[in-house]
Amino acid sequence: GQNIDQPTEMTATEGAIVQINCTYQTSGFNGLFWYQQHAGEAPTFLSYNVLDGLEEKGRFSSFLSRSKGYSYLLLKELQMKDSASYLCAVRDSNYQLIWGAGTKLIIKP
Amino acid sequence: DAMVIQNPRYQVTQFGKPVTLSCSQTLNHNVMYWYQQKSSQAPKLLFHYYDKDFNNEADTPDNFQSRRPNTSFCFLDIRSPGLGDAAMYLCATAQGTGDYNEQFFGPGTRLTVL
Repeated sequence: GQNIDQPTEMTATEGAIVQINCTYQTSGFNGLFWYQQHAGEAPTFLSYNVLDGLEEKGRFSSFLSRSKGYSYLLLKELQMKDSASYLCAVRDSNYQLIWGAGTKLIIKP
Repeated sequence: DAMVIQNPRYQVTQFGKPVTLSCSQTLNHNVMYWYQQKSSQAPKLLFHYYDKDFNNEADTPDNFQSRRPNTSFCFLDIRSPGLGDAAMYLCATAQGTGDYNEQFFGPGTRLTVL
């Protein structure tokens, strides 16, 4: 079966750095996405990785290791507005997105 | 601004009473998706259209139907809603399905079944 694993919840402090991990087992791989979802709202796109390595976009970075079936999302200089769920999604061999259940990130002052 | 619009944002229906959710897009994307998302769970793909071609997920209940009359609009019909169908319903669009094709989501419709 296909599976995406992420921690259910994480807590971090405003101004700090947090790393959210994602491991996956899918039938084929055609890219990995990270989305941010605030409570009661739709997911919004954050990043896309298809090759191994780090993609940096402002305060957010995403890393991929295809051989390990592993990705992480790194958030720097945390702000209160970063409190949200972060969803990892992998595109499989059929180009369908397989979604993780999301990691709820709580930011404390 | 190009966007994905869902109406209504909140829908209340009674057990067994048919309901239709709508989605429209101004992005001119050829792929449209319907997801069901329950609290603290991953979005669950119900079906998607690639142009006019309808693709139903194997585990999508027959109670859920969809229509796409044109490129811009897509509808989700729930023929006889049950209590277990209460969820957020998300519409998303994409241009193609290969390579780098992020999905753009609408704001969602939260369905309550009484």
